[in-house]
Amino acid sequence: QKEVEQNSGPLSVPEGAIASLNCTYSDRGSQSFFWYRQYSGKSPELIMFIYSNGDKEDGRFTAQLNKASQYVSLLIRDSQPSDSATYLCAVILEYGNKLVFGAGTILRVKS
Amino acid sequence: EPEVTQTPSHQVTQMGQEVILRCVPISNHLYFYWYRQILGQKVEFLVSFYNNEISEKSEIFDDQFSVERPDGSNFTLKIRSTKLEDSAMYFCASSVGGIRTDTQYFGPGTRLTVL
Repeated sequence: QKEVEQNSGPLSVPEGAIASLNCTYSDRGSQSFFWYRQYSGKSPELIMFIYSNGDKEDGRFTAQLNKASQYVSLLIRDSQPSDSATYLCAVILEYGNKLVFGAGTILRVKS
Repeated sequence: EPEVTQTPSHQVTQMGQEVILRCVPISNHLYFYWYRQILGQKVEFLVSFYNNEISEKSEIFDDQFSVERPDGSNFTLKIRSTKLEDSAMYFCASSVGGIRTDTQYFGPGTRLTVL
């Protein structure tokens, strides 16, 4: 069973702080990694994707990938109360094109 | 900005009844997907569809499920005889192609409640 693991949280950070969300995956051959945000009762909304080792920045968001450690993370700088949501890590395995999701980390940004 | 749309937003049905969930993928996308999320659980893959054929399906996608692209715009998921455990949010997604780097965009979902 190919798994994606996330700490369920909740992760609580004050407004303006950096939120750090982590994800590990079991399929060493995984090629593509995605972070989605999901508000309660809503659908997953893409935040970022990353394919190569290292960092990728987009505005307040930075995704980090370490394939050797099978680890992907998302940093949110200057966290805002509107960032409060569940963050889903999703992976496309070595074969096929389905997304395998983690259970998500609940982020709460306190004003 | 183009988006995936789904109808209905909420469907209530009796156990044993058939339901059809509808999706309109983004117009230039070629790959279509159904996922579901039982309340409080992970988003789970059901099926992917390309060129009028199923390209991949999960073990959840058994004989009671079927998918169809009845015309040039709609993509449907049929559940033949609903069970209580089919109650979930069902999300349709689409991507431009099927390569593993293509982003899948999700529709707003249909909440299915089986009584």
